[in-house]
Amino acid sequence: GQNIDQPTEMTATEGAIVQINCTYQTSGFNGLFWYQQHAGEAPTFLSYNVLDGLEEKGRFSSFLSRSKGYSYLLLKELQMKDSASYLCAVMDSNYQLIWGAGTKLIIKP
Amino acid sequence: GAVVSQHPSRVICKSGTSVKIECRSLDFQATTMFWYRQFPKQSLMLMATSNEGSKATYEQGVEKDKFLINHASLTLSTLTVTSAHPEDSSFYICSSSPGTSDYNEQFFGPGTRLTVL
Repeated sequence: GQNIDQPTEMTATEGAIVQINCTYQTSGFNGLFWYQQHAGEAPTFLSYNVLDGLEEKGRFSSFLSRSKGYSYLLLKELQMKDSASYLCAVMDSNYQLIWGAGTKLIIKP
Repeated sequence: GAVVSQHPSRVICKSGTSVKIECRSLDFQATTMFWYRQFPKQSLMLMATSNEGSKATYEQGVEKDKFLINHASLTLSTLTVTSAHPEDSSFYICSSSPGTSDYNEQFFGPGTRLTVL
């Protein structure tokens, strides 16, 4: 079956760096997405990786290793507003998105 | 980026009634829209794929007679929860992609929180 694994919850300190990991096993691979979802709101797009390596976008970076079925989202200079759930999603061979359960990130002052 | 709207944002209804949720793409044409359901502290669960001008494709375990989907135009898809029961209480979210963005990412509506009493 298809499976996306990411930690349920993480805690970090304001101003610090945090890495959220995601491992996947899917039927084919057409890219990996990271979305941010604040409580009670819809997800918003953060990043997309389809080739191995690091994609940097401001304070957020996303890394992909297709051979390992692994990705991480790196958040730098954490701000209180970064407290949210971070969803990892993989697009499979049918171009369908398979979603992880999300990682709830708690930022402490 | 592309904008997707949903209406209503919140609805409370009595058990046994039907509720219609609208999803609109405001600045692009959406031949395909996706309907998700999300229970508290759980991930998004794809319910169905809505295709303009044709029948929706439902995921396994989703009752198509209970969750009626109509995609009559390129900018509007509706989800009707028929004979709603308390277990249908959830956060319903639609999404679509204009197909012209760099990553073909999905743009989500703001969601509809349904509470069935």
